[in-house]
Formats: sequence, C-alpha cells, structure tokens
Amino acid sequence: DGGITQSPKYLFRKEGQNVTLSCEQNLNHDAMYWYRQDPGQGLRLIYYSQIVNDFQKGDIAEGYSVSREKKESFPLTVTSAQKNPTAFYLCASTASGSSYNEQFFGPGTRLTVL
Amino acid sequence: KNQVEQSPQSLIILEGKNCTLQCNYTVSPFSNLRWYKQDTGRGPVSLTIMTFSENTKSNGRYTATLDADTKQSSLHITASQLSDSASYICVVSARSNSGYALNFGKGTSLLVTP
Repeated sequence: DGGITQSPKYLFRKEGQNVTLSCEQNLNHDAMYWYRQDPGQGLRLIYYSQIVNDFQKGDIAEGYSVSREKKESFPLTVTSAQKNPTAFYLCASTASGSSYNEQFFGPGTRLTVL
Repeated sequence: KNQVEQSPQSLIILEGKNCTLQCNYTVSPFSNLRWYKQDTGRGPVSLTIMTFSENTKSNGRYTATLDADTKQSSLHITASQLSDSASYICVVSARSNSGYALNFGKGTSLLVTP
C-alpha cells in the first residue's frame, strides 16, 4: 500500500447522508486520484488533482466532491446525490510529469449504503 | 474508444502450475502498459510496466510480454503459489492533450488451489 492511507476501511451510510472518505499520502506526490471499483468492472476515475488547490472531474464525478487544501490530503465526499454509492473506493497518488510513474494505491474503503 | 479487454475473466489452477493471462487493447496513442496485482479487499500493486519498445519484462515468477503491433500483452505466472490468488489488472496509458489517461481492464480473477 506504499505511503498512502485510507480511512475508514469499512463505512456504512444511511440513504440521504453525506460521507467523507479520507486519503493521506506521505510520498510527496503532486498528483492524487479517486477511483471507484465495482464487482466485475474496471476502476473508474471519479476525480483527480495534479496540484494543491486544483482538481478535475473524472469519468463519473456526479454525486461526488473533493478538496485539495494540502499536498498530502485528498478527501472524497460521497453526497446524497450519488444514486448508487455502494462500492469499493481507491485513492492513488503519483509523482506527476510522466505516465511512466507508478500510481501507488491505498488499501481502499468499502462503502455500503443501508 | 479506448478499450482494454482481459481474458479469461476468471481462472482456477493447481498450486505449482503455470498460467497465462491475456490483455488486448485498442488504446491510442499508446504510452505504456502496466500489470497490477490486487489482493481481495486491498489496493492494486504494480508488477511490471512496459513501453512501446519493450517486448518482455520479468519480475520474479511473473513475466509480461507486449506485442505493440497486434496490441496484445500477456502475463505469465510460473510455478504458481497460493499467494498468487488475486485479481490481475491490465492498465494501458494513452497520451492526451492534458498529459495522459489510464485505461483499466476489468481484471482476471485467479484462484490457486492446493
């Protein structure tokens, strides 16, 4: 899992509630990413940030929000607008500048909506 | 549309046997191809990365091949161990106007049995 931590590991949410997933890295990486993983599907990009105070929508950003106030932190909020939030969420980081640079992934957070 | 197709979807082999996983892609313009191993409930970990000019790369018992002409890659696992049970994900990087984009396969789920 490198130097990336995600918390909590398991999260349960009632419908209509917003929840925030934590992602912290101590790798001094500029770029950070949030992915969603569903059974039988590839990872899908939610949001990414290449520098502090800047972030971009990925392929499935609707119903999610992020912030990047510090280089080492990239929290993801799953809002009540997300229709089907139950999934495994992965945070990743990379030293920016080259596609050759490996994306290091955190251990993931499994979110279940009750 | 950039796509990454992996086969088989799942595979069961006996401990000690060899196996080969396939990845076909239509990603363009191609930058590199990486194989990840993802243990259940964990984040993916990189096994190998290959660029256009490389056609084989090894990491212990894992050997990846790349045929850039036919846009095919394979991951060969030699003398499998129980700890090889995991999902193996092929990720192809494509150059884009904003840098690069990662295209994820759905993964092959490998189960190694005693």
